[in-house]
Amino acid sequence: GNSVTQMEGPVTLSEEAFLTINCTYTATGYPSLFWYVQYPGEGLQLLLKATKADDKGSNKGFEATYRKETTSFHLEKGSVQVSDSAVYFCALSDRYTGNQFYFGTGTSLTVIP
Amino acid sequence: GAVVSQHPSWVICKSGTSVKIECRSLDFQATTMFWYRQFPKQSLMLMATSNEGSKATYEQGVEKDKFLINHASLTLSTLTVTSAHPEDSSFYICSASRVLGTSGSGPQETQYFGPGTRLLVL
Repeated sequence: GNSVTQMEGPVTLSEEAFLTINCTYTATGYPSLFWYVQYPGEGLQLLLKATKADDKGSNKGFEATYRKETTSFHLEKGSVQVSDSAVYFCALSDRYTGNQFYFGTGTSLTVIP
Repeated sequence: GAVVSQHPSWVICKSGTSVKIECRSLDFQATTMFWYRQFPKQSLMLMATSNEGSKATYEQGVEKDKFLINHASLTLSTLTVTSAHPEDSSFYICSASRVLGTSGSGPQETQYFGPGTRLLVL
């Protein structure tokens, strides 16, 4: 079946530190992979996505590369800001299962000045 | 970009009452909408898949008589929490599926999430 496993938090970093949030997946088909961000009190926002192997999604300084060989989609940012404090969810969607989304448990990030 | 709205954003109700939550796709037609539930500090749990003009498909463990879903049009799906109890207090999120085009591998769809509805049952 389909599932997503992501690094447990919470993660606390100083401003301008390097961020990595690990995400691995299992899928029966050829999924699309996503990172969503949820700011305090708000809904989910798509951060970036990749639809096939070796694709790199990027947005707002965040990047993630779809690695089929390691079934991973790790999120990275070279220099985090206080405004990046949020919960980050890794997710996959597989059209063979009706485009249903499977989410990881979320990783809470707090960036301190 | 595509927008999905939810109404209300916040609702507080007494135990035993029913609460209706609306999910609307504002600038596109969505044949499929999904309803999720998020517990504090946990991930989203898919509750049901809502298809326009047909009955919703519920995930295992989700009571269909408790959580009534109606997908009356291509832009509106509603979730009604019937006879709500404190344990139903949660953050409910919908998403709408939009077909962007087709490729050699078939229709290309993407999901747009609503901002969520926070339900508190006293």
